[in-house]
Amino acid sequence: QQPVQSPQAVILREGEDAVINCSSSKALYSVHWYRQKHGEAPVFLMILLKGGEQKGHDKISASFNEKKQQSSLYLTASQLSYSGTYFCGTIEGNTGKLIFGQGTTLQVKP
Amino acid sequence: DSGVTQTPKHLITATGQRVTLRCSPRSGDLSVYWYQQSLDQGLQFLIQYYNGEERAKGNILERFSAQQFPDLHSELNLSSLELGDSALYFCASSTRQGAAYGYTFGSGTRLTVV
Repeated sequence: QQPVQSPQAVILREGEDAVINCSSSKALYSVHWYRQKHGEAPVFLMILLKGGEQKGHDKISASFNEKKQQSSLYLTASQLSYSGTYFCGTIEGNTGKLIFGQGTTLQVKP
Repeated sequence: DSGVTQTPKHLITATGQRVTLRCSPRSGDLSVYWYQQSLDQGLQFLIQYYNGEERAKGNILERFSAQQFPDLHSELNLSSLELGDSALYFCASSTRQGAAYGYTFGSGTRLTVV
């Protein structure tokens, strides 16, 4: 079952913060986050494997609440380069098959 | 360059035809995944291979088939093409299968069916 992302779209000014949420009706064992710029390949950002785990890279971080079956991606002090579509993904079973959410489009304006 | 190579980058073909998309995974990666992305749509999982064996299938049409060869490269075959098959087809690879491994995507093959 596909995870659900919210919001569908976000428009920000440079320097503003954003939060993208990802939730699932099924138990989550891990959450992946990717960013895709228009016409390009998705790029891996991070994986969260444990409930309560938080990770960060530069000014992009994420948390994983296993009990609530949701993850959130935090973008702090947005830069123009953060623009793109963000996908969360959840793994089904033991195969490693990654099912993506529908995506959240982020546009950062000067 | 992500290390995952997909060819061709662009493909234009007529309805009813058959095409083959090729993917070479990143060196050392054993798992290969195929995804379809239609215009302004999300990433739809098609099929997964691990070390030459099929491991998982998504909503892949019967007209589509794939395989992974002993050298670990993979091919996705699309036959009896329809206009609706026009999409970006991505291949991704990972070191192993399982929750702990991130995917590396190739740059994709843009298929246009006319």
